[in-house]
Amino acid sequence: GIQVEQSPPDLILQEGANSTLRCNFSDSVNNLQWFHQNPWGQLINLFYIPSGTKQNGRLSATTVATERYSLLYISSSQTTDSGVYFCAVEGNNNDMRFGAGTRLTVKP
Amino acid sequence: KAGVTQTPRYLIKTRGQQVTLSCSPISGHRSVSWYQQTPGQGLQFLFEYFSETQRNKGNFPGRFSGRQFSNSRSEMNVSTLELGDSALYLCASNEPGPAYGYTFGSGTRLTVV
Repeated sequence: GIQVEQSPPDLILQEGANSTLRCNFSDSVNNLQWFHQNPWGQLINLFYIPSGTKQNGRLSATTVATERYSLLYISSSQTTDSGVYFCAVEGNNNDMRFGAGTRLTVKP
Repeated sequence: KAGVTQTPRYLIKTRGQQVTLSCSPISGHRSVSWYQQTPGQGLQFLFEYFSETQRNKGNFPGRFSGRQFSNSRSEMNVSTLELGDSALYLCASNEPGPAYGYTFGSGTRLTVV
């Protein structure tokens, strides 16, 4: 199956700082999503982005499908951005594969 | 539009028992997928159903099974529970298409004692 690697595994920021999270995948994909997992365990969909660039407020994402990576940018980070960010990809066999996640801690 | 609903939210079971978890997808979504999340293994794919048919299955023992009903609601069952089955079980629904992603429920946290 498709392998998904996320980096860095952990990230600690001061409030107001910017960050970039990376997701590498091993094969072509039909679907790529970024999720934020809140402290209660719910996965919140941030972006559906199999290719191209999207922005939503302070967050933006870019996927370069030909080079098999995606980036999630968080600008002017806030303490509420803390949590685990997951990248998930879907190949041709209808299952979403998740990376191990990036645990982000934003300090006030 | 209601989201993905999983019941129950929390469950405590004893080793050897069996458990059934339920997932109601977003109205109109025909695909339901199940995932197990543990601190050690992360998020692992269990199986995916589409229009009452299992299309794909992850690498889990036969004790893990599921089904989907004609209204797209899905259940997963774990028999002969083991301590290692303690996990957060997440369900996601989607409607295949060029612009749709997966929407997850809040999960069922299962503790096996």
